[in-house]
Parts: sequence; C-alpha cells; structure tokens
Amino acid sequence: QTVVTQEPSFSVSPGGTVTLTCGLSSGSVSTSYHPSWYQQTPGQAPRTLIYSTNTRSSGVPDRFSGSILGNKAALTITGAQADDESDYYCVLYMGSGIWVFGGGTKLTVL
Amino acid sequence: EVQLVESGGGLVQPGGSLRLSCAASGFIFNTYAMYWVRQAPGKGLEYVSGISTNGLNRYYVNSVKGRFTISRDNSKNTLYLQMGSLRAEDMAIYYCARASGKYVDGNYPIDYWGQGTPVTVSS
Repeated sequence: QTVVTQEPSFSVSPGGTVTLTCGLSSGSVSTSYHPSWYQQTPGQAPRTLIYSTNTRSSGVPDRFSGSILGNKAALTITGAQADDESDYYCVLYMGSGIWVFGGGTKLTVL
Repeated sequence: EVQLVESGGGLVQPGGSLRLSCAASGFIFNTYAMYWVRQAPGKGLEYVSGISTNGLNRYYVNSVKGRFTISRDNSKNTLYLQMGSLRAEDMAIYYCARASGKYVDGNYPIDYWGQGTPVTVSS
C-alpha cells in the first residue's frame, strides 16, 4: 500500500520562507500525481491552496506556491505570517478514482 | 457563492447505519463530481469516496468498500453517503467536497469544502 509522506512538523520565523514536501513511500512524485495542497486550522474545514502541482486556488495569496522538487511535491510559503500557522495536507491521485492524503505537516510560525 | 452543508451525523452503535447528506448551492450541481473526505479525532484527512456527475462512476477507499455507498440526487442538489456496519474506526468528521470539474480523476481535485458533520460510533 502506497503511503504519502509529509514532515510531521516544521517551524518558520515570521517573514521567513519554508518549503513543505510531499513524497511517496515508494517512488517519485511527478505532475501525473496531480498534487494538491490544503490548509487547515484547528476546528475549521480545510481550505484549498494549490491544485495540479502549482495552480493557486481562487483568493490564495501568491506567497503560496507549489512545485516538484526532486522526487517530491513541494509547497513553499514565502514571507510567512502568523496566521499561516496551520496544518498542511497534500493529496496525490493514485488512479482509478482514488486520492491519498499525506499525514499532514503542523507548521509553527515563531 | 459555493456552499456545501452537511447533515445527518450523530451517535450510532457499532454495526449500525447512518446516512449523511450534503446540500449544495451556488453552482450547477450536476456539472461537478463530488467527494467525501473524513477526519478522525486528532488525525489527518482521509479520502473516502468520489462520484461522477451522473452518479454512474463511484469510487471508494478500500476500508469502506462494501459498507458505504455514495450517491447523488441532481434534482435536489444533494450528495449522500450511506454508511453501514459502522466501526469505531469510522468515527470522524465527514466533509463533503466539490471536485473542480466533472470527473473523479486527477484533473479534478477538491476545490470547495463543507464544514463537516461529526459521526460518533460508540455503544
């Protein structure tokens, strides 16, 4: 069974840049997995940030960007702000109508 | 404005059944595939099921196959999830979500989410 991997936690200083990654337990992530990224604060529903590797969802500021870095999908936040402190989830399309989420990364801004 | 409002969650005994509903508004419902995603307490997101615009193509994560059924009523702009043989590990907040297009495939990921409805499985 394929596992989608994410860093459990990460921290960034206000104004800093952070890159979160999304990998596979076996193999490399490519655009054919159509990676998407979601942000979730405690008690709230997820919010779509990025889809199809690097397309920002409506209303998402351009300091959020998506890419493929090496063998992983990546979400980069530049100029981190206090309200970026959230859980971030990636999801990959595995084919046959099935998506698999990563375990999420808890981002701390301090 | 796209709105997805889930209902039907609640307390159910192990082995019991429950039907979740998701009322959609603010878009042409029958032109978008739809998804269910769940989140167990303190855990991450888990894809549960997806359905195409006409309801003919349905997909399930292995852990719910044979127990859950996704369906939709395009005349009522409503998505459903019929859940049966419920287990403790099914306890979660269940989110209704819209695909960005008409098919359940990689080109149409989730773009909008509902606020979720909680399901508690306990005796």
